[in-house]
Amino acid sequence: KAGVTQTPRYLIKTRGQQVTLSCSPISGHRSVSWYQQTPGQGLQFLFEYFSETQRNKGNFPGRFSGRQFSNSRSEMNVSTLELGDSALYLCASSLDRGRKTAQFSYEQYFGPGTRLTVT
Amino acid sequence: AQSVAQPEDQVNVAEGNPLTVKCTYSVSGNPYLFWYVQYPNRGLQFLLKYITGDNLVKGSYGFEAEFNKSQTSFHLKKPSALVSDSALYFCAVRPYQGGSSNTGKLIFGQGTTLQVKP
Repeated sequence: KAGVTQTPRYLIKTRGQQVTLSCSPISGHRSVSWYQQTPGQGLQFLFEYFSETQRNKGNFPGRFSGRQFSNSRSEMNVSTLELGDSALYLCASSLDRGRKTAQFSYEQYFGPGTRLTVT
Repeated sequence: AQSVAQPEDQVNVAEGNPLTVKCTYSVSGNPYLFWYVQYPNRGLQFLLKYITGDNLVKGSYGFEAEFNKSQTSFHLKKPSALVSDSALYFCAVRPYQGGSSNTGKLIFGQGTTLQVKP
């Protein structure tokens, strides 16, 4: 099976612009989570989508948003970019049927990330 | 508040020696615990997990971890380190919501850089 893919891998944007990042989960995985990784704050949870619905949200401002499509692909959007948004954005997927069954796996599989630089 | 602590920023080990990377956690309810490894300019790779059952869990690349409920620890171990094990290691906990629901949120420790020298 192909792993989690993220596009683009690298992005340079200017303050005030907006950006959209894309994530394609492992085939059959319905849960997609997004994380921000920075040297100062480490790995922080942004949000999780399951069946096109946001199931969990981290402590990020409303400039950070996301969505999930019917094929489980997900996008995240950051509007009005700030210098502090420079980070590696990681997407992760997991096999989650929404309840504890034999098809549920607890671990998440991560993509290679999108390196966003805001200048 | 639920949290994960990795007390060591860096661990240095000679190749062939055993290694331990420490992790302690604070959660309500039963913890779901994970270890991930990150190589430069790469995403995180899943190593192993503890959900329930045996306290010693085995994972990829010869790694194992010991769950200790009384000490709220989940230390990562390997009997014989390789230079190729040098990387950034993250411990994570997945909050348990109970019932039939679940959450995809992982809370990560700050990471420990493992340096294995020849």
